[in-house]
Amino acid sequence: DQQVKQNSPSLSVQEGRISILNCDYTNSMFDYFLWYKKYPAEGPTFLISISSIKDKNEDGRFTVFLNKSAKHLSLHIVPSQPGDSAVYFCAASANWELTFGKGTLLTVNP
Amino acid sequence: KAGVTQTPRYLIKTRGQQVTLSCSPISGHRSVSWYQQTPGQGLQFLFEYFSETQRNKGNFPGRFSGRQFSNSRSEMNVSTLELGDSALYLCASSLEGQSSYNEQFFGPGTRLTVL
Repeated sequence: DQQVKQNSPSLSVQEGRISILNCDYTNSMFDYFLWYKKYPAEGPTFLISISSIKDKNEDGRFTVFLNKSAKHLSLHIVPSQPGDSAVYFCAASANWELTFGKGTLLTVNP
Repeated sequence: KAGVTQTPRYLIKTRGQQVTLSCSPISGHRSVSWYQQTPGQGLQFLFEYFSETQRNKGNFPGRFSGRQFSNSRSEMNVSTLELGDSALYLCASSLEGQSSYNEQFFGPGTRLTVL
């Protein structure tokens, strides 16, 4: 049973617009959530994270929102740039283990 | 500071063979985690080693094993390879492990193809 779900395998956005990537989870023990970005032939790189005691964390163009009651988090990228095109993984942490979603391929069109 | 390195980068094996992958963490990092990435399953956790001890293990068969040396370098071994083992194997290191407040640094991965 998938504990972290990214239901959209892909997303296409126009340059300059907002990209919204979604992630749902089922395990209420998760207490920390992270987003990773992955380019082809490279390992994932850490993007932004949020603790379960917060509902929003912002870092430049990237904002992560957490809705604990809905067990839902989202990553907003504003404005989107062509260089943001990559696979984005949502991950959740509990008990020394990270659980990843399957990823969403974001394509930002010039 | 050098990043996480993984060797080899690419590997082709046939069914039934065994394979060993290597990971060198960032200097000073004591935790090494291994992940398998496949198109259908995304990133899946294999196991984590900390100070030469396996601290956590994902839901993979016993054919998948690993170890960590005193210098924190880690190896993972897959025996009796199956076609479904074809994947990108990623290693990640961190100072203390996968706890909430430690960032993991990933290596570039080893692309394993099983024919």
